[in-house]
Amino acid sequence: EVQLAESGGGLVQPGGSLRLSCAASGFTFGAYPMHWVRQAPGEGLVWVSRVSHDAAHTNYAGSVKGRFTVSRDNAKNTLYLQLNSLRAEDTAVYYCVKDSGNYGVDYWGQGTLVTVSS
Amino acid sequence: QSALTQPRSVSGSPGQSVTISCTGTSGDVGGYNYVSWFQQRPGIAPKLMIYDVTQRPSGVPDRFSGSKSGNTASLTISGLQSEDEADYYCCSYASSDTTFLFGTGTKVTVL
Repeated sequence: EVQLAESGGGLVQPGGSLRLSCAASGFTFGAYPMHWVRQAPGEGLVWVSRVSHDAAHTNYAGSVKGRFTVSRDNAKNTLYLQLNSLRAEDTAVYYCVKDSGNYGVDYWGQGTLVTVSS
Repeated sequence: QSALTQPRSVSGSPGQSVTISCTGTSGDVGGYNYVSWFQQRPGIAPKLMIYDVTQRPSGVPDRFSGSKSGNTASLTISGLQSEDEADYYCCSYASSDTTFLFGTGTKVTVL
């Protein structure tokens, strides 16, 4: 059974930093690209970032490019998202999402809440 | 790039059918047969219901079906049941840079 467990969320002041983690199990983690998707309170889903299976390639939404960094450690079956220069509009639940391997995503974690407020 | 456009809400009585549209552009929905649909109940992570426009993952009832015409994809729920009440989001592969676009979301209410 595929399991994705995010951690690292919390309350941070504007301009601050946070590092999210996602522990994966139940599939060959190193064989799949992985994604982060966020959802602001009461709002819809927004794709944030992607990292290739071997971490050689990364992609970002324009709203986070230059501030967020996605990475992975295949030996530890763990995905990361470094959030820097945080803004109030970054407040959201951040989901770790598995790539389907065919131009889609399939399994989601339960999410971790990031709140940016003074 | 902007989110894909979905109606804010649709509703139907038990047993009826409802259809949710998802409108994009030739650069996303219209350009690829990689449209997915997700169901999200309050406080719960999204669940994949349809992938590759028409395909159902194992365990998803065949009451759920997908289709696409031009730049608009659709999700139809036939034989509506109370447990189908949730938010539904479409998702399309967009490009090697943007990667994925989600829809604005549609709340399905079972009357």
